[in-house]
Amino acid sequence: KAGVTQTPRYLIKTRGQQVTLSCSPISGHRSVSWYQQTPGQGLQFLFEYFSETQRNKGNFPGRFSGRQFSNSRSEMNVSTLELGDSALYLCASSLTGGGILNEQYFGPGTRLTVT
Amino acid sequence: KQEVTQIPAALSVPEGENLVLNCSFTDSAIYNLQWFRQDPGKGLTSLLLIQSSQREQTSGRLNASLDKSSGRSTLYIAASQPGDSATYLCVAAGNKLTFGGGTRVLVKP
Repeated sequence: KAGVTQTPRYLIKTRGQQVTLSCSPISGHRSVSWYQQTPGQGLQFLFEYFSETQRNKGNFPGRFSGRQFSNSRSEMNVSTLELGDSALYLCASSLTGGGILNEQYFGPGTRLTVT
Repeated sequence: KQEVTQIPAALSVPEGENLVLNCSFTDSAIYNLQWFRQDPGKGLTSLLLIQSSQREQTSGRLNASLDKSSGRSTLYIAASQPGDSATYLCVAAGNKLTFGGGTRVLVKP
């Protein structure tokens, strides 16, 4: 069974641009969560989607948004990029009935560098 | 608000020694607690998941305990190997997932 996949793996953007990251969960998993990891702040929760609906949201500005498609694939978008958005972005999938109740499986992450 | 703390932040041990990693959380109203390892620049690999009704979980050389009343979980790694060098994260699942800051482990050959 294939694991969680994220594309692209590496990305370099300049300030002010926008970026879209993609996450494909494990087959059968309906919950996808996104996290930002930086050396200074550690791992921080962005949002969780379940059955195409955002169920939970962390404390990030509105420049960070996401969506989930009917096949459970999820995208995360960051608009008007800032230098501080440079980070490893991880997505995690879990089975059904609530992501937090089930074991989380993480993808390899997308390393975003903003110059 | 849930806070998860991992102490120590870094640990260096000689190969063969047992590892003890600590995780404490402030809100005992959790559904489960999960331990992950992360290799530099990579994603997270799930190690053990302990449901709130359980006291411990074991997988090979790994054993994790959970004491909700004291807000603590401990990950034991027996007979450490250089391949165990990584950052270990504990995650408390309440209304949302709350991550600890991690313990960076170095096992020296």
